Amino acid sequence: EVQLVESGGGLVQPGRSLRLSCAASGFTFDDYAMHWVRQGPGKGLEWVSGISWNSGDIGYADSVKGRFTISRDNAKNSLYLQMNSLRAEDTALYYCAKEHTSMPTYFDYWGQGTLVTVSS
Amino acid sequence: DIQMTQSPSSLSASVGDRVTITCRASQSISSYLNWYQQKPGKAPKLLIYAASSFQSGVPSRFSGSGSGTDFTLTISSLQPEDFATYYCQQSYRTPRTFGQGTKVEIK
Repeated sequence: EVQLVESGGGLVQPGRSLRLSCAASGFTFDDYAMHWVRQGPGKGLEWVSGISWNSGDIGYADSVKGRFTISRDNAKNSLYLQMNSLRAEDTALYYCAKEHTSMPTYFDYWGQGTLVTVSS
Repeated sequence: DIQMTQSPSSLSASVGDRVTITCRASQSISSYLNWYQQKPGKAPKLLIYAASSFQSGVPSRFSGSGSGTDFTLTISSLQPEDFATYYCQQSYRTPRTFGQGTKVEIK
């Protein structure tokens, strides 16, 4: 059974940093691209960042470019999101999602999310 | 970036109604269009991928159509468990943008 379990969320002051993790199991992690998607309180889904299976292809939303860094450790079956210079507008539930491997692609499995609250 | 626009933003419908949600892309995305369902407090769930292909386990009352810039999600006979928010997403190009969502409520 595919499982994605996010962790690392919490309350953080504006300007500070936080690192999210996503532990994957039930599939061959290093065969698949992975993504982070967030959802602000009462808002829709916003794609944040994605990383290919070998970390060779990485993308970011304009809203987080230069502040967030996505990475993965295939030996540990884990996905990460380093979030620096956090702003109030980064407050959201952060989901990790697995991408289906062949085109056209889609997100076939999602975690339950970890909540990040940016507030003084 | 490719912008995805859904309509309507919300709708009220009764059990048994036929419901149609549309999604328009700001440029052609071929058939690189997915639909997700999200219920309150839950993670999104894939319903339809590649515009019209069913994810395993999705009831046949859900269907998707379209290509290029205009797409449709149809629920042929709305069931109580279908009251949720629906999102389209393009997978043609990064960033993988979502529509703003359509909330389907009980009339």
